[in-house]
Amino acid sequence: DIVMTQSPLSLPVTPGEPASISCRSSHSLLHSNGYTYLHWYLQKPGHSPQLLIYLGSNRASGVPDRFSGSGSGSDFTLKISRVEAEDVGVYYCMQGLHTPLTFGGGTKVEIK
Amino acid sequence: EVQLVESGGGLVQPGGSLRLSCAASGFTFSSYDMHWVRQATGKGLEWVSAIGTAGDPYYPGSVKGRFTISRENAKNSLYLQMNSLRAGDTAVYYCARGITTGAFDIWGQGTMVTVSS
Repeated sequence: DIVMTQSPLSLPVTPGEPASISCRSSHSLLHSNGYTYLHWYLQKPGHSPQLLIYLGSNRASGVPDRFSGSGSGSDFTLKISRVEAEDVGVYYCMQGLHTPLTFGGGTKVEIK
Repeated sequence: EVQLVESGGGLVQPGGSLRLSCAASGFTFSSYDMHWVRQATGKGLEWVSAIGTAGDPYYPGSVKGRFTISRENAKNSLYLQMNSLRAGDTAVYYCARGITTGAFDIWGQGTMVTVSS
């Protein structure tokens, strides 16, 4: 199984400041089609998860452009350019390359 | 409006069975892979099963042989038959729509399953 490792576990942030979350996979997530099957989700408190970024760097519909994804192979980053209060919650990375599909353990983002 | 609504959760004894349902609306259900993902209270997300448009099922080792995923396209419905339930299966179960990239773009609100005597 592909193991997904996120850091940090917890990330206190100041509104207006940038934030960054790291995700590493135990195997490369590069598909033979040239796409990288790494996705990011945000689960706001009391809500279901929502898709933020797919294929490493593509924002899902309706996702603000302050969110960006980057990386390749097995090393990925989610960045928030200027954190807003509504961005609090738990962020998960997930690999969609091989079953079983696997998630990172999550990074809890909270306002300082 | 694109929507997924789960139902069927509840309290069940260890060793018992439960069948979850997910009603889809607002999109062509038969054209999408569908998934179940669960989350124990205070824990992370765990993929539970998937079914392709052709009805091909996929499971992780933790539920293989105990859970069965199925779909009924005429009713725009997804199901998860869960047998031989264990305390470790206690979680909120979400159904989710899969897109070709392996991501889940639409999630339901979840249904709670509690396995306890």
